[in-house]
Amino acid sequence: SQKIEQNSEALNIQEGKTATLTCNYTNYSPAYLQWYRQDPGRGPVFLLLIRENEKEKRKERLKVTFDTTLKQSLFHITASQPADSATYLCALGAGNNRKLIWGLGTSLAVNP
Amino acid sequence: DGGITQSPKYLFRKEGQNVTLSCEQNLNHDAMYWYRQDPGQGLRLIYYSQIVNDFQKGDIAEGYSVSREKKESFPLTVTSAQKNPTAFYLCASSTLAGGLETQCFGPGTGLLVL
Repeated sequence: SQKIEQNSEALNIQEGKTATLTCNYTNYSPAYLQWYRQDPGRGPVFLLLIRENEKEKRKERLKVTFDTTLKQSLFHITASQPADSATYLCALGAGNNRKLIWGLGTSLAVNP
Repeated sequence: DGGITQSPKYLFRKEGQNVTLSCEQNLNHDAMYWYRQDPGQGLRLIYYSQIVNDFQKGDIAEGYSVSREKKESFPLTVTSAQKNPTAFYLCASSTLAGGLETQCFGPGTGLLVL
C-alpha cells in the first residue's frame, strides 16, 4: 500500500540554524509533492508545491527538494526563528486524482 | 475575504446523539473534503466531493454522512454509529489547476462526545 514517512521524532534546533525535515514515500509515483504548516488547534496552511520534474523550489527562507529516484523530499527552513515552531506535513498528489496522500507530520521547535 | 469557515470551534454532545458540523467556503472551489485528526495519526479522509450532489467515501467513512447540495457547503454528520467520535475535524476545499491540487483548510472543529 502507499506509504509516507516523516521524521517521527520532534526536531529541536537553535534559532538561526537551518531546520531540515524529511519526507519519504513508497509504492507511489506522485506527480507533485506539497508541504503544509499546522499550528496547534488550527488547520494546515499550504507552503510549497514541487512537481516531479523539478529538483528544487524556493520561497523566501523555505526550500524544498524532490528526488523521485530516492523517493524523498527534503524541506529546509534557513535562519530559523521561534515563530517557525509548528508541525509540518507533506502530502503527495497524482494527476487528476483529487485525493492527497498525507504524512503524519514532524513537529519542529525552534529555541531562542 | 475568501476562505473556509467551520462552526462551531468546539462542540460537546452526549453519546448516542447525532451531530452536524458545518463547513462553508466562498473560494468557488469545486472540491471539498472532510478529515479527522487524532493525536499522532495525521489526517484521515472521511468523505470528499468533487461536484455538487456527488460525494465519495474516504478511508474512514463508517459512522459519518455528508451532503453536497450547494457548491459552497459540505456539512458532515457524525452519527451515533461512529464508535469513537471525539476528535478534531477539518474541512478543506480545492480546485484543480493544471493538474495540481492544493487544499485550503478551515480552522477545524473539536468534537467531544461524553
